[in-house]
Amino acid sequence: AQTVTQSQPEMSVQEAETVTLSCTYDTSESDYYLFWYKQPPSRQMILVIRQEAYKQQNATENRFSVNFQKAAKSFSLKISDSQLGDAAMYFCAYRTTSGGGADGLTFGKGTHLIIQP
Amino acid sequence: ETGVTQTPRHLVMGMTNKKSLKCEQHLGHNAMYWYKQSAKKPLELMFVYSLEERVENNSVPSRFSPECPNSSHLFLHLHTLQPEDSALYLCASSQVGAGPRGTEAFFGQGTRLTVV
Repeated sequence: AQTVTQSQPEMSVQEAETVTLSCTYDTSESDYYLFWYKQPPSRQMILVIRQEAYKQQNATENRFSVNFQKAAKSFSLKISDSQLGDAAMYFCAYRTTSGGGADGLTFGKGTHLIIQP
Repeated sequence: ETGVTQTPRHLVMGMTNKKSLKCEQHLGHNAMYWYKQSAKKPLELMFVYSLEERVENNSVPSRFSPECPNSSHLFLHLHTLQPEDSALYLCASSQVGAGPRGTEAFFGQGTRLTVV
């Protein structure tokens, strides 16, 4: 079974600074998907960024980028120019590509990101 | 209409009650999911429906009973729950079998359930 580990229960960063959230995972599969989701106080999980394991290039979405190290099974999220609206719980998640894509996500415990004004 | 809508947003029920959670997706997806989010624990996948058929039941107690009457609606029927079942219940949908785009899950805002 796959596992996802987020070792930072809470992180704090000054507004406009850069912060990196860590995630490691364990799997025996070679093809899979990795995600970062954001959960603000409204409770709705919002997809931040996605990475396909077969792609070597790190995914980027505006101020959000990942550092995907497949051999190390590491998938960190970098948030540049942090904004107050980035304050939320951030979850790292894994999904296998087998099962026709019907498999659900395996989540880490999350990192609470605090933005200091 | 937002992508995935869950009702009610909050629910308080006694251990002997029977209630249902409802989820509706307006995205044309063909798979729907129930997750349980408890404090200080990772989200737990409870049920998966793909093409309206249940494909996974992660050893969830029988006091939770899912129903998927069509690809747009998903229910979670609750009966004789325990206080430890108090949690946030999240519904999600996705499109399976459509390559990379098919793997993205969209979530509702959840139902905060309290069992007293």
